[in-house]
Amino acid sequence: GQNIDQPTEMTATEGAIVQINCTYQTSGFNGLFWYQQHAGEAPTFLSYNVLDGLEEKGRFSSFLSRSKGYSYLLLKELQMKDSASYLCAAFSGGYNKLIFGAGTRLAVHP
Amino acid sequence: DGGITQSPKYLFRKEGQNVTLSCEQNLNHDAMYWYRQDPGQGLRLIYYSQIVNDFQKGDIAEGYSVSREKKESFPLTVTSAQKNPTAFYLCASIQQGAYGYTFGSGTRLTVV
Repeated sequence: GQNIDQPTEMTATEGAIVQINCTYQTSGFNGLFWYQQHAGEAPTFLSYNVLDGLEEKGRFSSFLSRSKGYSYLLLKELQMKDSASYLCAAFSGGYNKLIFGAGTRLAVHP
Repeated sequence: DGGITQSPKYLFRKEGQNVTLSCEQNLNHDAMYWYRQDPGQGLRLIYYSQIVNDFQKGDIAEGYSVSREKKESFPLTVTSAQKNPTAFYLCASIQQGAYGYTFGSGTRLTVV
């Protein structure tokens, strides 16, 4: 079957670093996405990993291990505006279908 | 500016009524998708279309129907057969060979 797991909720302090983990089991894996979603809004693209390793983009980094079916999103220098849900999603099989995890709600406190 | 337009943003429907959610894109993208999101859950795929006049069922297609008569348009009809239609509906598109969806702003459907 196809399954993506990530923690339901996390809390962190402004200025700190937080790591959101994601494990996946999908057929025909073609890459792993991270999206940010604020309440009532559409998801916005954060990162895409298709090869093993770390991709860095400003305060956000994403890591992928295909052999372990594991990814994480690292957020540095947290700001209040980073309070949102973070969705892990895998490209599965053909037709560019994205399979989404349930999302991790991150609350950043002063 | 190119993008995906979903309308309306909020929609109320009486039980037993069909309702159609609009999704229009001017990105010239080939593939379009409809997802449903419930509180505390991820996005679940309802229907998708790779080309005009062709579409496939996703994981939760029961109670929904779509059409793809034009490349720019992919409307979703929520029929009375859908038992629990209250949800946030998102339309997305992607160009073949590219990666990363473009999402519309979503339609929140409430059955009253």
